[in-house]
Amino acid sequence: NAGVMQNPRHLVRRRGQEARLRCSPMKGHSHVYWYRQLPEEGLKFMVYLQKENIIDESGMPKERFSAEFPKEGPSILRIQQVVRGDSAAYFCASSRRGGEEKLFFGSGTQLSVL
Amino acid sequence: SQQGEEDPQALSIQEGENATMNCSYKTSINNLQWYRQNSGRGLVHLILIRSNEREKHSGRLRVTLDTSKKSSSLLITASRAADTASYFCATDLNQAGTALIFGKGTTLSVSS
Repeated sequence: NAGVMQNPRHLVRRRGQEARLRCSPMKGHSHVYWYRQLPEEGLKFMVYLQKENIIDESGMPKERFSAEFPKEGPSILRIQQVVRGDSAAYFCASSRRGGEEKLFFGSGTQLSVL
Repeated sequence: SQQGEEDPQALSIQEGENATMNCSYKTSINNLQWYRQNSGRGLVHLILIRSNEREKHSGRLRVTLDTSKKSSSLLITASRAADTASYFCATDLNQAGTALIFGKGTTLSVSS
């Protein structure tokens, strides 16, 4: 039973380009969460999705960032027109149910903006 | 916004010693969870304690929860070099449809 899969593991983009981060949750999990981690910092919540629905996007920057979790396929975190401040590790987690469940994390995508 | 705050920020101990990390939070919760992160990796769930529980054990881990003080502690007994990692507490916001909020973590270094 594969865990949460994130790809790519490392992503390098130049300022102004788009970054697409993918996350496949564990089998049987329909809840996906995206977090961002800066060096020496904890995880900052970004967005919580269920299949085809955004449940909570209170942690998402209002501009340039979007997320989706379609009926088929992985969840995508999309960052348009990246800036150097977007450089961070982006982690995806999944759970079978929302609310009180423990989360299973992927290994993250390290985004570097040049 | 941060819900949980761990202290200390960093902790260095010798193998065999116990390590205690604390977490304080601001609002009422349904449960509190502790996670571990090895360098460059994702987080791994360690233990969950519900708001109506006061103490929980799992192997060498002992977690306490004091809802009146809005605080929790994680004790690792007889530490090993392999316990070297960052440890985070995470809380929900006692609201339906909310995600876990993590603190900044405690970095534990165990030297042999």
